[in-house]
Amino acid sequence: QVQLQESGPGLVKPSETLSLTCTVSGGSVSSGGYYWSWIRQSPGKGLEWLGYIYYTGSTNYNPSLKSRVTISTDTSKNQFSLKLTSVTAADTAVYYCVRRWLSRLDPWGRGTLVTVSS
Amino acid sequence: QSVLTQPPSVSAAPGQKVTISCSGNSSNIGSYYVSWYQQLPGTAPKLLIYENNKRPSGIPDRFSGSTSGTSATLAITGLQTGDEADYYCGTWDSSLSAGGVFGGGTKLTVL
Repeated sequence: QVQLQESGPGLVKPSETLSLTCTVSGGSVSSGGYYWSWIRQSPGKGLEWLGYIYYTGSTNYNPSLKSRVTISTDTSKNQFSLKLTSVTAADTAVYYCVRRWLSRLDPWGRGTLVTVSS
Repeated sequence: QSVLTQPPSVSAAPGQKVTISCSGNSSNIGSYYVSWYQQLPGTAPKLLIYENNKRPSGIPDRFSGSTSGTSATLAITGLQTGDEADYYCGTWDSSLSAGGVFGGGTKLTVL
């Protein structure tokens, strides 16, 4: 059974870069057919898709964030990562890593709260 | 503002049935399968329905999904207090380079 776990700093200063890692267990980021995704949820708000990386290495990002988002994989560690540059208070959210298979998003990590504040 | 439109809240008594709507357009719901996600308080969302009307193993048949044109509906029968949660519809959107889109979420209250 595949499990995902997010890790990274819980506090980031404005204008700096948010960096998170998702460790995959019970499966491989190199497995065919899967898209490794990041989704966030601002406090009290809905879900926002940030982007994904396909097992081939191709990526697709939310157009509203495209210039600031980078998703990459580290197959040696079976991890994938998110970098979001030039953060502001509006980027404060719970960040989830999620596997996409065909049209569905499953499973989800537990999520990690990232607060942007000086 | 979310790409897909859901009612902010619905409520019903235990044992009753409730439906949650999700409205989109031809570039999202009209083109791709819809999924539904249940988010219990303080937890991550969980897949509830995929490919419009399929249930993952472990999801009771009290939960069902359907689509018609550019809209989708989640139905929950035999409501239980444990069903109190936020429910989100999600799909993909060809106008956003096949990126993911969600509804704003619907808070279900079991009275």
